[in-house]
Amino acid sequence: NAGVTQTPKFQVLKTGQSMTLQCAQDMNHEYMSWYRQDPGMGLRLIHYSVGAGITDQGEVPNGYNVSRSTTEDFPLRLLSAAPSQTSVYFCASTAGANNYGYTFGSGTRLTVV
Amino acid sequence: DAKTTQPTSMDCAEGRAANLPCNHSTISGNEYVYWYRQIHSQGPQYIIHGLKNNETNEMASLIITEDRKSSTLILPHATLRDTAVYYCIVRVAGGGSNYKLTFGKGTLLTVNP
Repeated sequence: NAGVTQTPKFQVLKTGQSMTLQCAQDMNHEYMSWYRQDPGMGLRLIHYSVGAGITDQGEVPNGYNVSRSTTEDFPLRLLSAAPSQTSVYFCASTAGANNYGYTFGSGTRLTVV
Repeated sequence: DAKTTQPTSMDCAEGRAANLPCNHSTISGNEYVYWYRQIHSQGPQYIIHGLKNNETNEMASLIITEDRKSSTLILPHATLRDTAVYYCIVRVAGGGSNYKLTFGKGTLLTVNP
């Protein structure tokens, strides 16, 4: 049981490039989400999904796309990277009921130059 | 979701109990109190949560006041590895967008030798 796995751990992009941050969980969790964390700040929700085929926007969705074709995977796509997207990205999942906590991945550190 | 107020930072001596307060005076009857922590550069880690009653698990205890307007997270015997930012989060019960977590800036707990 690996929990929530994020790849890559580090990435440097040039402005305008695209890439996909991968997130996979093996706990059969319904709910998955993506957060970003900027220096000295708390986490902010980008997008979330309450199940396969269902996604919705969070607090800071602009510049990011998501899809949820399977229960296990929830990739985050940057279509045209900008320096403002330099951040640490965390993926999280939960079984969905109120008596479950979230499991977070170890993060992807993205730098856009 | 109700807003929370936490001290910016706290210190604790190793081996002593760490008591981290959280004010959530506008909490609603169906909102849970969750605690997470984030050790430097890692993903957040779920600690404990509760609705009305005090809760205890292998990591910590959660004391919620009778009027539910504040709570205290207790680490009974703090170690150096407990140095982290601790987040108190209040979240509405239910599904859909209510699954999201809203992070504030948390409390930086420093455990000193």
